[in-house]
Amino acid sequence: GAGVSQSPSNKVTEKGKDVELRCDPISGHTALYWYRQRLGQGLEFLIYFQGNSAPDKSGLPSDRFSAERTGESVSTLTIQRTQQEDSAVYLCASSLVPGPIGNTIYFGEGSWLTVV
Amino acid sequence: AQKVTQAQTEISVVEKEDVTLDCVYETRDTTYYLFWYKQPPSGELVFLIRRNSFDEQNEISGRYSWNFQKSTSSFNFTITASQVVDSAVYFCALTGGSGTYKYIFGTGTRLKVLA
Repeated sequence: GAGVSQSPSNKVTEKGKDVELRCDPISGHTALYWYRQRLGQGLEFLIYFQGNSAPDKSGLPSDRFSAERTGESVSTLTIQRTQQEDSAVYLCASSLVPGPIGNTIYFGEGSWLTVV
Repeated sequence: AQKVTQAQTEISVVEKEDVTLDCVYETRDTTYYLFWYKQPPSGELVFLIRRNSFDEQNEISGRYSWNFQKSTSSFNFTITASQVVDSAVYFCALTGGSGTYKYIFGTGTRLKVLA
């Protein structure tokens, strides 16, 4: 597609269950980013991929969070044993190449996760 | 460390009023890039503008204009003759030129334009 595609759009899960969120970046974009946005809050950086590698995972909030990317394309963010504090919108973004040249990053519509 | 501050949490204006959204940034990089994004109620962040640190020219695009001032580390965004469709959360963002790949976002300013 022309833009960043994320699925599911909405997910309601029970506390303790695992969830997988998928991101399909813009074709040809080598850089991929995951951000989290809690209700009414700003964007919290989670992880960045350059190709299939993640040089920096320091933004992941706990070891229950993991992400992978394959084929320099699709990325999956997995949250294990979900907690209510994980409820947020998870935003994926991509750009042509990573920094330092400050390319514009383009966002998907997000995956709204609600943990009940 | 890099930081972006959007001190205005929420602004309400009446349609056709002009409104300025403030953005103040901190960075030690000499080369950096600043962005504004709009997040309408639908949720998707829409790119508005990108500006590099060497270009201090103001930019105007229709009813939108941006004032970049390195002396005050500010990159303010003005909407002229606001419209109800401008109602959204606006985010200012910064990325550095020293090899960092992180895009640091401010906490956003919610703009409500009332008819």
